[in-house]
Parts: sequence; C-alpha cells; structure tokens
Amino acid sequence: GESVGLHLPTLSVQEGDNSIINCAYSNSASDYFIWYKQESGKGPQFIIDIRSNMDKRQGQRVTVLLNKTVKHLSLQIAATQPGDSAVYFCAEESNDYKLSFGAGTTVTVRA
Amino acid sequence: DAGVTQSPTHLIKTRGQQVTLRCSPKSGHDTVSWYQQALGQGPQFIFQYYEEEERQRGNFPDRFSGHQFPNYSSELNVNALLLGDSALYLCASSSGTGGTDTQYFGPGTRLTVL
Repeated sequence: GESVGLHLPTLSVQEGDNSIINCAYSNSASDYFIWYKQESGKGPQFIIDIRSNMDKRQGQRVTVLLNKTVKHLSLQIAATQPGDSAVYFCAEESNDYKLSFGAGTTVTVRA
Repeated sequence: DAGVTQSPTHLIKTRGQQVTLRCSPKSGHDTVSWYQQALGQGPQFIFQYYEEEERQRGNFPDRFSGHQFPNYSSELNVNALLLGDSALYLCASSSGTGGTDTQYFGPGTRLTVL
C-alpha cells in the first residue's frame, strides 16, 4: 500500500546540536512533501516543503533533503533549541488533494 | 492576518449523539480539508471541500459528512457517535488552484465520546 513513515519514533538531542529526522515514503507518484511540527495540544505547524523536482531546500535553521531514488526524506534542524521539542510529521501529497502522514517522531531537546 | 480557526476547542458527547464542528479558513484560502488524529498517531484524511462540493474523501464511513459555505467556512458533522470517534479533529485550509497546495492547520477540536 501507499504510506509515509518515519524511521524512528523518538529522538533525544542535546541543546545546540543538529537534529536529523528521517522519513521513508512508498508512493513513487508523490510529487510534494511537507514537514510539520506539532506541539502538545496544538495543530500541526508548517515548517518547510519540497517538490519532487528538487532534492534540497533550506529555510531558517531547517533543511529538507529529498532522495527520490530510495524514496527518502529528511529534515535537518541546526542548533536545536528547547522550543524545537515537539512531534515532527512528514506528509506526502499527490494530485488527489489529500495529505498522507506518517506516525511522527517525538523530538526531545536536553538542556 | 487570521490563520485557520476552529470551534469549539473541546467537546464531550455520549455514544449515539451527533456533533458539528466548525472551521474558518485562512484569509485568501478557498479549500478546506478535515483530518482525524487519534492519540499518538498522525492525522488521517477525512475529506476536502472546494467550491462547496466534496472533492475528495478518505476511508471514513458515511456517518462523517461535511459542508462548505459560500464564505469558504466549513462544518464537519458526525452522526451516531462511537467511542472510537474520540480524537482531535483538524481543519486545514489551502488555495484550490492546483493539485498540490500547502495546507495550513487550525488548532483542532478535541472530541471525547463517553
């Protein structure tokens, strides 16, 4: 079936270190990918996106990498801060208008 | 610029009852999607409304229905509530110009079914 999944359910990071969150997808027809951050009791917050015609995109402290050959997506967070503690979801969208989410990775930042 | 808003914030119902949740999209957006998020899981797509019509639907029973109004706001209705309908219900808005548009989420409505 078609699904989007994350490699690890939890990630513990020292404050100031870089974080890498991984995601594997199975639908080779997917052409748009988004990373969302969800804090406790809130809705998912858009972080960064990438389309299938790109392999890298950078934002403020975040970088998304897309490897279509192995159907892998990653989110890199530079200089992780306590406010980065949250659940991170990758989501996949194709031309059927719906987003498909993985189960999420919980990131905990250690002081 | 207001983002996506949802009401109510929390809701408690009993089995068999009906519930209506409301969503106002982000300014400039004309498309509304609804998602169900069970505890500890990722959101699951319920359906999407565009031009007051249901454009796409996920794997949810007919007990789940919706509506979109001319001002682009939307309602999600759930009939004959089951205990398993307890979840966070999320609304997301986007512009409906193409097949892949960034969806922005509201804070959600927490539904508890007793």
